[in-house]
Amino acid sequence: NAGVTQTPKFRILKIGQSMTLQCAQDMNHNYMYWYRQDPGMGLKLIYYSVGAGITDKGEVPNGYNVSRSTTEDFPLRLELAAPSQTSVYFCASRSQGGVAFFGQGTRLTVV
Amino acid sequence: AQSVTQPDIHITVSEGASLELRCNYSYGATPYLFWYVQSPGQGLQLLLKYFSGDTLVQGIKGFEAEFKRSQSSFNLRKPSVHWSDAAEYFCAVAIQGAQKLVFGQGTRLTINP
Repeated sequence: NAGVTQTPKFRILKIGQSMTLQCAQDMNHNYMYWYRQDPGMGLKLIYYSVGAGITDKGEVPNGYNVSRSTTEDFPLRLELAAPSQTSVYFCASRSQGGVAFFGQGTRLTVV
Repeated sequence: AQSVTQPDIHITVSEGASLELRCNYSYGATPYLFWYVQSPGQGLQLLLKYFSGDTLVQGIKGFEAEFKRSQSSFNLRKPSVHWSDAAEYFCAVAIQGAQKLVFGQGTRLTINP
């Protein structure tokens, strides 16, 4: 009964490095989302996907890329990490017309 | 611009007092509406949702919310708060054919003993 699984839980990156945040869901949900959470700013939508092969930009997509080759997986790629990308990242999934289930988050620090 | 607004960044109430957290949205059509709660260092848990029908919806932990179309609001209420209700609360709406899910800024709730 895994739900939404994010890895890693914590990561420290140096400026200019790249990394991929992994997100997997086992509920056969079509919709998946990536958010970043900064203190006092709520959750900002980075990218979302409504099905395999379909992705779209959210509110704050700059500096990030995504892909959705399968229903289960929705990785988020940071190509050139910047201090402004220090944040907590949440992945979520939902079925059409359903509620969203969230992963436990990835705390990323860029130094 | 389309948005979800939670006007209160931080609210403090005494244990046993009533609570109302405000949420307004500015989308043309009636979206799907949600309230989530986040305890410190944790992920988000769904409190309740509104899709259609009865505008007063009941959720977990004794919370309820009322959808008011004329005011584009979906306020969260609880008659009597408990110390364990201290957390951050997020209002969310699903728009654009209910595909895109956007959140408000959140309201941090502190409970005084």
